[in-house]
Amino acid sequence: GAVVSQHPSWVICKSGTSVKIECRSLDFQATTMFWYRQFPKQSLMLMATSNEGSKATYEQGVEKDKFLINHASLTLSTLTVTSAHPEDSSFYICSARDLTGRESYTFGSGTRLTVV
Amino acid sequence: GENVEQHPSTLSVQEGDSAVIKCTYSDSASNYFPWYKQELGKGPQLIIDIRSNVGEKKDQRIAVTLNKTAKHFSLHITETQPEDSAVYFCAASTNTGNQFYFGTGTSLTVIP
Repeated sequence: GAVVSQHPSWVICKSGTSVKIECRSLDFQATTMFWYRQFPKQSLMLMATSNEGSKATYEQGVEKDKFLINHASLTLSTLTVTSAHPEDSSFYICSARDLTGRESYTFGSGTRLTVV
Repeated sequence: GENVEQHPSTLSVQEGDSAVIKCTYSDSASNYFPWYKQELGKGPQLIIDIRSNVGEKKDQRIAVTLNKTAKHFSLHITETQPEDSAVYFCAASTNTGNQFYFGTGTSLTVIP
């Protein structure tokens, strides 16, 4: 089945630094990937839609200059949290859709970001 | 846009009993309804899904029912086991849409 790999699984960084999270589709090509944010005991909130070869589409209220998304190939999308602050601490999850297979989306394993 | 509501938010059952989680949606154009299981610190995993042209789907101990007229769908887990303990999310989507609208989640605890 479709596999989405997300790295790192856990990262701790200092305030003011930037953190890059990678999302890879391992056995399929994904022209579109999605980035979600999840706070403890809450549902997934879509942050942005990452489109291969073009600019990402951000949801209302999500700062595109803070959450930089790059989708340079059909198997890799990256989310960079720039100038991170403690309030950016959260669980970030990506997903992608294998158009040749099942209808549903496959999620990565998530990245726990802690900003200290 | 679509609004998906999920109930209950928490559910505790004795091992071996059944668990039922219910979701409602608002957009009649939604036609695909997956259910995800999320364990602590992990990403959601698809456990079952149903399309709008089907009223019920079953996979071993897990079943999903859909009432398109009433715009609600439910997840049924029979013979629950401790390893079923997790957070479960329902979602709704359309064929052409890229976005899944998630429910607020149900934290299921199966008591041994």
